[in-house]
Amino acid sequence: QQQVKQSPQSLIVQKGGISIINCAYENTAFDYFPWYQQFPGKGPALLIAIRPDVSEKKEGRFTISFNKSAKQFSLHIMDSQPGDSATYFCAASAQGGSEKLVFGKGTKLTVNP
Amino acid sequence: GAVVSQHPSRVICKSGTSVKIECRSLDFQATTMFWYRQFPKQSLMLMATSNEGSKATYEQGVEKDKFLINHASLTLSTLTVTSAHPEDSSFYICSADSSRTPIGEQFFGPGTRLTVL
Repeated sequence: QQQVKQSPQSLIVQKGGISIINCAYENTAFDYFPWYQQFPGKGPALLIAIRPDVSEKKEGRFTISFNKSAKQFSLHIMDSQPGDSATYFCAASAQGGSEKLVFGKGTKLTVNP
Repeated sequence: GAVVSQHPSRVICKSGTSVKIECRSLDFQATTMFWYRQFPKQSLMLMATSNEGSKATYEQGVEKDKFLINHASLTLSTLTVTSAHPEDSSFYICSADSSRTPIGEQFFGPGTRLTVL
């Protein structure tokens, strides 16, 4: 049972464009939703995270939008750069993040120059 | 920031041998550490959760006798792959839960690439 569904599987964007990655979850106990960025051969790095008490969080070019009623959240990368080319994973956990993370399957983002 | 290291970064071993991977939280104490494995072009799959001083909790389908986890201190957890076989070849990643931050976010290590010949 996949608890966090992520789409698209791959995404190609031109430099300067907006990259949008979507995730949907099933478990209503989830209350912590982080996004991770992973480069080949490296461990994932936390990009940005949100809790369900807010509908949007922005950090620089990265924004999370959260829709609690729809049980969906998305990552927006504004002004996408070639250096943003990586695999992005959404995740979710319960009890404020102290419980184990459940990961989406990942989205491979390619930003063309 | 919270830094997690892993050692070694890469290891190649012969089939039937055992391999130990270390995970350390360098600048914080981690009450909980997590071990994941990741196959090429796939997501991270949680293998086990370990708490300092207690037995690890393994996910369904993960052989506890094959993947031995020891969490001896608040800054060190080890994963030993016993009697490794080629199908154990994978990217193993640990993470540590920082109690410093109110949200208890996980910080990931750089991963260990295991190749079993």
